[in-house]
Order: sequence, then structure tokens, then C-alpha cells
Amino acid sequence: DSGVTQTPKHLITATGQRVTLRCSPRSGDLSVYWYQQSLDQGLQFLIHYYNGEERAKGNILERFSAQQFPDLHSELNLSSLELGDSALYFCASSVESGGDTDTQYFGPGTRLTVL
Amino acid sequence: ILNVEQSPQSLHVQEGDSTNFTCSFPSSNFYALHWYRWETAKSPEALFVMTLNGDEKKKGRISATLNTKEGYSYLYIKGSQPEDSATYLCAPHLGQGGKLIFGQGTELSVKP
Repeated sequence: DSGVTQTPKHLITATGQRVTLRCSPRSGDLSVYWYQQSLDQGLQFLIHYYNGEERAKGNILERFSAQQFPDLHSELNLSSLELGDSALYFCASSVESGGDTDTQYFGPGTRLTVL
Repeated sequence: ILNVEQSPQSLHVQEGDSTNFTCSFPSSNFYALHWYRWETAKSPEALFVMTLNGDEKKKGRISATLNTKEGYSYLYIKGSQPEDSATYLCAPHLGQGGKLIFGQGTELSVKP
């Protein structure tokens, strides 16, 4: 158990809908990262927040948005869902601001299925 | 496009065999290399962070080496055990915020 929690564990929804995935980092960690793992794809970096501020963006779709709240938990909002958005979404956290040796600790993931 | 390649894609070995796999990454703008172990139905777990050319890290029967000039890292497992069965991911940090670029992984299966 990494200490990173994610809810829900599973989510099944329909195309066109909007969902929110939630992540609580390890105690003391200030950075939160979001990743997407689709079929036949490696872990794809979506976005990084440090202490409430966006630090880096990956190939995150415009239909997706995220934020990190003052208590440091983070939410990933996915809207106008398409079948191709079905994936495992991981949140990770780290102590610092994403430096090169900053180890990222992964949560258990949320499996999203879009029907 | 930043390519991180891991080979082989999968590996099936017998208990007691020693194995090794490769991670290739762009050598320019290199800052660090992270190795993760990902067991089925669990989340990726950090193994090593490597930064210096020629660096070698060890954790039990697992060790890793790094060549930053030519852009590769090797992961070795000595005397594989069934509990080593997992996907091993490498992820270079290429200096773009907190962005790790993950490879597709090497899936290791160790049969008793």
C-alpha cells in the first residue's frame, strides 16, 4: 500500500457523460500526477500539480481537466466521454515539485469503462 | 516524439534462471531514470532512481545499470522466483516538469 488513495475503484458510464475521479496523495506529499493506461498503450502522463498549481501538462485532451485543492487532494474531470476514454487512470504523488529524482508513488487506479 | 523502448516485450523463464532486460531512451536532456515494478491487479511500485552515468543500484536479487551517454539501462534479476513475475517499467525523466516518460514494459513470468 503506497498511501495514495483513489476513488472510485471502478466506474461504468455512457458516452457523452461526465465523471470525476478523486485522488488523495500520501501524507506530506505536495505533488499529484495523473496518468492514463489504455489497452496496448504504456502509462501516459496527463498532468502534474504541485501545491495547488499546475506544473506540467502531457497529452491531456481538452475534454479533460484537473485541479488540486488546498487540502492537496486532486480531481480529474472527464467530460463528453467517448468509448476510447475507457482506461485505467492512475494518480501518483511525490514529496517535492517533480524533480528528476523525485519518486512517484502510485495509487491503486480507477478503471473507467465507457459504454 | 520521445521514444522509450523496452525489450523484450515479454519473457518466460523457469524459477532459478537469471534474466535481464533493456530500456533505451533519448540520451539528450537526460536527468534521471526510474524503474518500476508492476504486479497484476496492483499499482506500479518504485524500484530504483538512477542519475549518474555508470550508476549501479541493487535491491536484493534485482540490480540495474545505467549508461547515459548511449541512452540505455539494464535490469538484472538473479535467480528469478515466481514472486518476481510482474511487468517492469522504465521511465526517464527528461527535464519537463515532473514528467516521466514510461516505456511499454517488459512482462516477466517465472514458472515454478
